[in-house]
Amino acid sequence: KAGVTQTPRYLIKTRGQQVTLSCSPISGHRSVSWYQQTPGQGLQFLFEYFSETQRNKGNFPGRFSGRQFSNSRSEMNVSTLELGDSALYLCASSLGTGVYGYTFGSGTRLTVV
Amino acid sequence: GENVEQHPSTLSVQEGDSAVIKCTYSDSASNYFPWYKQELGKRPQLIIDIRSNVGEKKDQRIAVTLNKTAKHFSLHITETQPEDSAVYFCAAREGGSGGSNYKLTFGKGTLLTVNP
Repeated sequence: KAGVTQTPRYLIKTRGQQVTLSCSPISGHRSVSWYQQTPGQGLQFLFEYFSETQRNKGNFPGRFSGRQFSNSRSEMNVSTLELGDSALYLCASSLGTGVYGYTFGSGTRLTVV
Repeated sequence: GENVEQHPSTLSVQEGDSAVIKCTYSDSASNYFPWYKQELGKRPQLIIDIRSNVGEKKDQRIAVTLNKTAKHFSLHITETQPEDSAVYFCAAREGGSGGSNYKLTFGKGTLLTVNP
């Protein structure tokens, strides 16, 4: 059974640009959550999608957005990139919202220069 | 919202010793407490979890205890081995209802080093 797949693994972007990250959950998993991981702040919740609907949102500015497709794959977008957006972006999937047990993907390492 | 405090931030032990990592949470409605292990350059992996209706859970050398009254939970690793070296994260899941408000709030992590 394939795990959670995130693409790309690494990205280098310039300030002001935008970026789109992709996450394919484990087959059959319908909930996808996104987290930002930085050395100083640890793992911070961005948002959760279930059945193509955003079910919960963390405390991030509106530059961070996401969506989920009918096949449960999810994308997150960051517009007008800032240096502070440099981080490891992790997505995690679970069978359903509220279901115990996330499985994380390997993440996308975003560097903003 | 939920706030999770984790201590210590770094922990160094000798191989064979025990390691204990402690977390406290603020929201009494939180009902699920997983622990993740993240090795350098790898994804966080669930190693053990506990639900609020259970006080203790064991899996071989790993155990987690939960004190709902005091709102704290701990990870215990016995007979540590060098391959246990990693960053460990605790988390608490807010209760929520109707399918909303389910999110994990993580502690800042503990870097465990097991010296051979």
